[in-house]
Amino acid sequence: AQTVTQSQPEMSVQEAETVTLSCTYDTSESDYYLFWYKQPPSRQMILVIRQEAYKQQNATENRFSVNFQKAAKSFSLKISDSQLGDAAMYFCAYRSAFNDMRFGAGTRLTVKP
Amino acid sequence: GAGVSQSPSNKVTEKGKDVELRCDPISGHTALYWYRQSLGQGLEFLIYFQGNSAPDKSGLPSDRFSAERTGGSVSTLTIQRTQQEDSAVYLCASSSGYRSYEQYFGPGTRLTVT
Repeated sequence: AQTVTQSQPEMSVQEAETVTLSCTYDTSESDYYLFWYKQPPSRQMILVIRQEAYKQQNATENRFSVNFQKAAKSFSLKISDSQLGDAAMYFCAYRSAFNDMRFGAGTRLTVKP
Repeated sequence: GAGVSQSPSNKVTEKGKDVELRCDPISGHTALYWYRQSLGQGLEFLIYFQGNSAPDKSGLPSDRFSAERTGGSVSTLTIQRTQQEDSAVYLCASSSGYRSYEQYFGPGTRLTVT
């Protein structure tokens, strides 16, 4: 079974600073996808960034980037120039080509003005 | 276009009552998922529908939970004889195909069992 681990229940960052959220996963499959979702207090899950396992290049979306280490089964999210609107729960998720999505327990990010 | 919608947004029920939660996926999306999110926790997979295939029910926590998807579109999650531990936010998501990897989430239904 695939498992996703987020070891940081809470993180905080100063506005305009950079923060990295950790995620590790366990799988025996070679073809899979990894995601970071953001869940603000409104409860709406929003896709932040995705990474295909076959791509060596780390995905980037504006201020959000990932450090994908396939051999280490690590998938961290870096948020640069943090903004107050980045405050939310962040979930790391894994999906193989054949299975449902598996989510980590989440990291609550606080942004201090 | 319209996103995934869920109703009701909030539901308060007495212990022992049955509840039905509804999900309207994005039009044309063949895959539909239900998740449960307890307070401050991650998402727990419940059930997955893909087209006309038999649903993957492996995440349903007990036989009090069931779901159906009519006409390959709208889905209803039913919880019979609700218990206080069923209190959670129930999230629905849809995606465009079996190998499509992006899920689009609804706003969820917050269920409170008193």
